[in-house]
Amino acid sequence: EAGVTQFPSHSVIEKGQTVTLRCDPISGHDNLYWYRRVMGKEIKFLLHFVKESKQDESGMPNNRFLAERTGGTYSTLKVQPAELEDSGVYFCASSQYLGRGTDTQYFGPGTRLTVL
Amino acid sequence: QKEVEQNSGPLSVPEGAIASLNCTYSDRGSQSFFWYRQYSGKSPELIMFIYSNGDKEDGRFTAQLNKASQYVSLLIRDSQPSDSATYLCAVRYTGTASKLTFGTGTRLQVTL
Repeated sequence: EAGVTQFPSHSVIEKGQTVTLRCDPISGHDNLYWYRRVMGKEIKFLLHFVKESKQDESGMPNNRFLAERTGGTYSTLKVQPAELEDSGVYFCASSQYLGRGTDTQYFGPGTRLTVL
Repeated sequence: QKEVEQNSGPLSVPEGAIASLNCTYSDRGSQSFFWYRQYSGKSPELIMFIYSNGDKEDGRFTAQLNKASQYVSLLIRDSQPSDSATYLCAVRYTGTASKLTFGTGTRLQVTL
């Protein structure tokens, strides 16, 4: 079974440009999460989809970030326009909740975004 | 104030020794606790989760949870050089599928 995949693995863009990150969760996983790790800081939550619905987007930093999950399968995270502070590693995770304590989130390899 | 605290390390232990990694959390309502291992440049990989007070063992790994003192720890017995990685503590505040709150991680170095 394939794990969580993310594309691209690296992206270098200039301030003001637009970047779109993609995440393909494990097949059958209803829950999809986006996280971000800024250098030197902890991994921080951005948002959570259940199927195609946004369950929790409390971690989204501002309206320059737009996440979608049309059809409840893959998800995209668009940053427009990108700012220097958006640089970091963006992780996607997916899970299938089976009951208390068994929501194991499997992480993808991440997309390293550098904004110059 | 950070919600999940870990000592950043590095924690250095000799091969074959027990490595003890600790994590404290601030919210008493926390439900579930997770330990992830992350090798440099790789994705976090789940090692164990625990949600009841006490110990939970899986092979060389033991997770310990003390809700009264608000700490969770991970013991690695017979440490191997391949255990050298950053260990991330994560907390979930509900009993359902929801976000994880991470600590900054503790870097473990197992020396020969």
